[in-house]
Amino acid sequence: NAGVMQNPRHLVRRRGQEARLRCSPMKGHSHVYWYRQLPEEGLKFMVYLQKENIIDESGMPKERFSAEFPKEGPSILRIQQVVRGDSAAYFCASSQGLAAQNAQYFGPGTRLLVL
Amino acid sequence: SQQGEEDPQALSIQEGENATMNCSYKTSINNLQWYRQNSGRGLVHLILIRSNEREKHSGRLRVTLDTSKKSSSLLITASRAADTASYFCATANRDDKIIFGKGTRLHILP
Repeated sequence: NAGVMQNPRHLVRRRGQEARLRCSPMKGHSHVYWYRQLPEEGLKFMVYLQKENIIDESGMPKERFSAEFPKEGPSILRIQQVVRGDSAAYFCASSQGLAAQNAQYFGPGTRLLVL
Repeated sequence: SQQGEEDPQALSIQEGENATMNCSYKTSINNLQWYRQNSGRGLVHLILIRSNEREKHSGRLRVTLDTSKKSSSLLITASRAADTASYFCATANRDDKIIFGKGTRLHILP
């Protein structure tokens, strides 16, 4: 049973470009969470999705950031017109049910560097 | 506002000693979870303790929860070099929101 997969592992973008981060949850998991981590910091919640639905996007900036989890395929975190401050590690986690009651399983992360 | 806050921020101990990390939080929770993160890697789930539980064990790990003091501790017994990592507590409240602390950086000295 493969774990949570994220790609790419490293992504370099110039200011103004788009960054597209992918996350495939563990088999059987329908809940996906995206987090951002700055160096020496904990994880900051961004968005929580279930298949085809955004449940909670309170941690995601309203501008330039969007997320989706289509019926088929991976969850996508999309950052448009990236700025240097978007440089961070972005982690995806999946769970069988509500995160408040179930363990989350994390992917290896995507490290985004904006030049 | 940030929920879980770990203490200490950094901890160095000799291999074989026990390591204790603490986590304090501010509001009511449904459960509290501890995670480990090796440098440059994703987080690994260690233990989930529910609000009606007081203590939980998993191998060399022991987690306690004191809801009256709004605090939890993670004890690693007989530490090994491979335990060197950052340890995070995460609290889940009724809104199903998970909030992570900034972590404790544990370094096991040979």
